Amino acid sequence: EADIYQTPRYLVIGTGKKITLECSQTMGHDKMYWYQQDPGMELHLIHYSYGVNSTEKGDLSSESTVSRIRTEHFPLTLESARPSHTSQYLCASGGFGTDTQYFGPGTRLTVL
Amino acid sequence: RKEVEQDPGPFNVPEGATVAFNCTYSNSASQSFFWYRQDCRKEPKLLMSVYSSGNEDGRFTAQLNRASQYISLLIRDSKLSDSATYLCVVNLNTGFQKLVFGTGTRLLVSP
Repeated sequence: EADIYQTPRYLVIGTGKKITLECSQTMGHDKMYWYQQDPGMELHLIHYSYGVNSTEKGDLSSESTVSRIRTEHFPLTLESARPSHTSQYLCASGGFGTDTQYFGPGTRLTVL
Repeated sequence: RKEVEQDPGPFNVPEGATVAFNCTYSNSASQSFFWYRQDCRKEPKLLMSVYSSGNEDGRFTAQLNRASQYISLLIRDSKLSDSATYLCVVNLNTGFQKLVFGTGTRLLVSP
């Protein structure tokens, strides 16, 4: 069982607010990922990181930003939330030499 | 054409039945393949990796057909707890371990 955590699990917030979704893993994985998933739809990669101080944008354009200052921590920030950002955000991590990914429980975001 | 394609289902089967899902992928250079399971409103969880020689884990068998670019998942003796969405996942082998997820096949096992 993977040790990867996300907070908050659920967030309802008004338009224009700045939010940060937290993701932490205790496995020492160098690779971390953020996905966005709408109900009944596939996962879309929005950000990923090879390691500390490395971040890249994924396939799906996103107004969010990420940082990787510590190996275990990969927060995602939305400077000004909009209703179009309403979705589930899933964080994942993977170890060196493997492409298996382990997912956190997700944050379900609703922007009013 | 999508990079990974699956029949969305749902597949409705009775307990004890055998059910099989297929998934096709478009990139012939893909090297790694997985099946993940996702329960409603939960995160995906790794079910099994798919190897060239095929592999089995209890009631679950995964096969890879590189020539036809598809992978399959066979579930024998279905249980109620097998009801979930099964995601076909492919590593596109682009230099970074980027996985592409299919939309999933929904399985409903009934008593």
